[in-house]
Amino acid sequence: AQKITQTQPGMFVQEKEAVTLDCTYDTSDPSYGLFWYKQPSSGEMIFLIYQGSYDQQNATEGRYSLNFQKARKSANLVISASQLGDSAMYFCAMREGNTGGFKTIFGAGTRLFVKA
Amino acid sequence: KAGVTQTPRYLIKTRGQQVTLSCSPISGHRSVSWYQQTPGQGLQFLFEYFSETQRNKGNFPGRFSGRQFSNSRSEMNVSTLELGDSALYLCASRREAGANVLTFGAGSRLTVL
Repeated sequence: AQKITQTQPGMFVQEKEAVTLDCTYDTSDPSYGLFWYKQPSSGEMIFLIYQGSYDQQNATEGRYSLNFQKARKSANLVISASQLGDSAMYFCAMREGNTGGFKTIFGAGTRLFVKA
Repeated sequence: KAGVTQTPRYLIKTRGQQVTLSCSPISGHRSVSWYQQTPGQGLQFLFEYFSETQRNKGNFPGRFSGRQFSNSRSEMNVSTLELGDSALYLCASRREAGANVLTFGAGSRLTVL
């Protein structure tokens, strides 16, 4: 069963505007972690931001923030003041468990296009 | 410090051959995971190794195997290659603490002809 859902295959945003990339997840494990990664055309996966299931505050990292709504099982990524270099694939991911041996699974990704 | 290093970066093989990919994790990281990325299937988890032991395995046939050495370097092997094995193979390492963030290498792009 699909555990990470990203419903937006592609998104366009105007440079300097904010954009929200959607992610919903499904798990019965009370302890889990949510991540967002960026993959430019070069192929390397770049870690952006992390949210733990027990974290009370939404995570922020510079222009990136994670809108964590636990009851709705959503973990949307907000990019403020978009830049041309933000054009890339963005993946939402979830790590289940808090002991050794867990695995991280990824959504299908959203391709973001930033327009000048 | 050095990141995750994957070799080779690109390779071309023919059906029926086998291939071995290498991954050197970040110094101090003992966990190494492998993923297959294709346009159709996205990022699929292959397996995870920790202290030379496979701890988790994805839903891939037995043709896909891996191992980890005492220095945490890992290799994955694909035998009897099929056209559908053409993909970007990503390796990631993590420190077993905190958020357990995966740090990825640049990947090995395999083309099977």
